[in-house]
Amino acid sequence: GAGVSQTPSNKVTEKGKYVELRCDPISGHTALYWYRQSLGQGPEFLIYFQGTGAADDSGLPNDRFFAVRPEGSVSTLKIQRTERGDSAVYLCASSLMGQDNSPLHFGNGTRLTVT
Amino acid sequence: GENVEQHPSTLSVQEGDSAVIKCTYSDSASNYFPWYKQELGKRPQLIIDIRSNVGEKKDQRIAVTLNKTAKHFSLHITETQPEDSAVYFCAAGGGKLIFGQGTELSVKP
Repeated sequence: GAGVSQTPSNKVTEKGKYVELRCDPISGHTALYWYRQSLGQGPEFLIYFQGTGAADDSGLPNDRFFAVRPEGSVSTLKIQRTERGDSAVYLCASSLMGQDNSPLHFGNGTRLTVT
Repeated sequence: GENVEQHPSTLSVQEGDSAVIKCTYSDSASNYFPWYKQELGKRPQLIIDIRSNVGEKKDQRIAVTLNKTAKHFSLHITETQPEDSAVYFCAAGGGKLIFGQGTELSVKP
């Protein structure tokens, strides 16, 4: 079956612009996660959804970052007033249940470059 | 906040030797400890995981051990092969997962 799908695969934007990154999880997975990965670093936790609600958003760096998952499936990560320091690969993952610690399945990521 | 420390950051071994990567975590509530392998430009892929009611788990050449009292866990790869070369990440948590900084493993033929 299909894995986690992220679009776009690459996004180049100018400093100060707004961007949206989309994640389509594996069908039936109730938990969805957003991570950010810079070169040579481990994935940095941003937010995780259980169904439609954010179960933990403690990793969002500031109020420029926001994520939604209105129907409990597709999620969008929104970044306002982008800064050069936001450049990274944004990874989405989904898991069957989340709270029971079922494995995370990652997408290929969106490489965001802020110029 | 929660933290996961991973060592070493780089590891070079000869083909056929064993490789060991170690992680420590800070959140005593953590009850799930997966390990991921990431090849250059690819997504992280789960290779093995362990839950806190188990001390050791093995899958062919890969094994993981967990010491909850000391809050550390380790990945052991035996009979390493060149295709094992990649970056390996540990993670710890329960629901939310916190990742280590990664270990770049190089297996020389």
